[in-house]
Formats: sequence, structure tokens, C-alpha cells
Amino acid sequence: EVQLVQSGAEVKKPGESLKISCKGSGYSFTSYWIGWVRQMPGKGLEWMGIIYPGDSDTRYSPSFQGQVTISADKSISTAYLQWSSLKASDTAMYYCARLITMVQGEWYFDYWGQGTLVTVSS
Amino acid sequence: EIVLTQSPATLSLSPGERATLSCGASQSVSSSYLAWYQQKPGLAPRLLIYDASSRATGIPDRFSGSGSGTDFTLTISRLEPEDFAVYYCQQYGSSPITFGQGTRLEIK
Repeated sequence: EVQLVQSGAEVKKPGESLKISCKGSGYSFTSYWIGWVRQMPGKGLEWMGIIYPGDSDTRYSPSFQGQVTISADKSISTAYLQWSSLKASDTAMYYCARLITMVQGEWYFDYWGQGTLVTVSS
Repeated sequence: EIVLTQSPATLSLSPGERATLSCGASQSVSSSYLAWYQQKPGLAPRLLIYDASSRATGIPDRFSGSGSGTDFTLTISRLEPEDFAVYYCQQYGSSPITFGQGTRLEIK
């Protein structure tokens, strides 16, 4: 059974750093891209970036380029999303999800993690 | 960038009724590369439909997708209580991928 299990909820202050995780199991972790999706309170879904754990090839949505860093450790089947300096506007639910990619490069998400709620407040 | 507009924003129906949700694209979606997701309160989205009309693993056959070009539809033939949720469409026919803003399906 494919599973993506994310780390727990976080409460941080503005300016602090944070790294959340997403552990895959039940499939070949190095053979599928993993993506991160933001959902702000009461809002829709926004794609942030994706990583191929096999070689750590990473791509970012222009909206999130330079704002976050995506990485992966294939030895423990885990992807990460990190911030160096959080802002109140980073308060949101963050989902990781496995990608099914098309020949031309785009994708949809077939399995999702349970989400990690990040709250940034002074 | 392809903009997806979902309608209606909110749909109020009763269990047993038929639901029709629309997703309109600002440009033609290549190869009908359109997906639908269901999101229940407090839970992650779940893939329902991909390639406009293919049901994902484990999805009941009361869910069906149709459409091509710029007009796509998700139909739930007979609503069950567990179907009341928010539904999102997503296109992956061209870069960047984009999501619709969602349709809330609520109990009447």
C-alpha cells in the first residue's frame, strides 16, 4: 500500500527556521517525483515545487522560488520542505503528494500525505 | 498559464440526487489532461479522476468525468452522505499545472 506520512504540526515564531518531512513507503521511492502543495486557511491548492528522489532534481513554482527549499534523502525514503525564515503568511497546511508524470513533463497527484499544519505567530 | 474556473462555487443538493460540477479552462487542455480531487474537512485531497474520464483506484462508479478542450464535468450519479465535500479540478496539459478554485458540495 502506497503511503506518505508527514511530520506533525508545528508552531513557530516569525523569523524562525523549519523543516518538515514526508516519508514514503509501499512503492519505489526513487522512481516517482514527490511534490509539495500549500493550502492556506479556507483556500485552495497551490503547487510549490517537486523533487525526484532518485537524483534530487528539483523544480519550483515561480511563486515559491527562493522562498522554500525542497530536498530528499533517498536512503530513508523521505522528502523535506524547509524555510530559513518563516513569516506569518506561511501559516498553512502543507501536503506532500506523489506525482504521476506525463511524457511532456506535467503531472497530477495520485497519493497524498495527511498534511502538516504550520502556524507562524508571534 | 491556463486558468481553471469551477462552477458553481457552492452546490446544495440532497442525498440520492445527481450532482454536476463544471470546470472551464481559459485555453484548451492538451490531451484532456484534467484531474478531479475530493477534499473532505480536515483531510487531504483524494484523486478521483484523471485524464478527464478515468477513475482512480478504488473510486466508486457513481463518480464519472467527461469533457475535452475547455469544458469538463464531474458527475456524481447518486449522492451518498460521504460525497459532501469540496471538489477541485487540475489541468496538467501545459506548464504550469493549475488548479481550479473548488466547488463546495453541501447538503441541502
